[in-house]
Amino acid sequence: ETGVTQTPRHLVMGMTNKKSLKCEQHLGHNAMYWYKQSAKKPLELMFVYNFKEQTENNSVPSRFSPECPNSSHLFLHLHTLQPEDSALYLCASSQGTGVEQPQHFGDGTRLSIL
Amino acid sequence: DQQVKQNSPSLSVQEGRISILNCDYTNSMFDYFLWYKKYPAEGPTFLISISSIKDKNEDGRFTVFLNKSAKHLSLHIVPSQPGDSAVYFCAASELTGGGNKLTFGTGTQLKVEL
Repeated sequence: ETGVTQTPRHLVMGMTNKKSLKCEQHLGHNAMYWYKQSAKKPLELMFVYNFKEQTENNSVPSRFSPECPNSSHLFLHLHTLQPEDSALYLCASSQGTGVEQPQHFGDGTRLSIL
Repeated sequence: DQQVKQNSPSLSVQEGRISILNCDYTNSMFDYFLWYKKYPAEGPTFLISISSIKDKNEDGRFTVFLNKSAKHLSLHIVPSQPGDSAVYFCAASELTGGGNKLTFGTGTQLKVEL
């Protein structure tokens, strides 16, 4: 399924760099999400946006800064990351905010921090 | 402490036989459960869900069973096909108040052999 597109697919950056992850959904959904999946750990919800407004911040460090300019686009701005931030970052979207609305995931960005 | 547990990291089944994937949860507030399937280098895709007012939900070859008293659910795939080989994630949420905040398990790698 290509309804949710994430770029780049892979990213290697140093701890002092600033980079951004991009997510775009073509499904007409209103809610968008960022998840983190570290090795051997479950997917962890980071942020939720509904109609461009942030509705959930799951105690994410401030070195991760999300931005949602419209319901179709979601960014995750990264700065001064740590080696433990190396992970797969997944974006998802859903029609509404009810849990009965399945979340549709992108293929993720594999992030490596040197 | 993980609230959703998939204690079998891997499962191998012969083509045509039944695959049974298990999931346990500890949070008694969870009342909506989902299964997602993930192929390598792709994002998770929604498979099937169940609300706690039901004990079974069926969709083609996939059936999810919920035992609320035991805080246990299982996904049955019958007959299993080679294309079912993937990682299966169990997820849980609260219908009211939990919104779209999913808590995931660590996944079970299913391999369907010819």
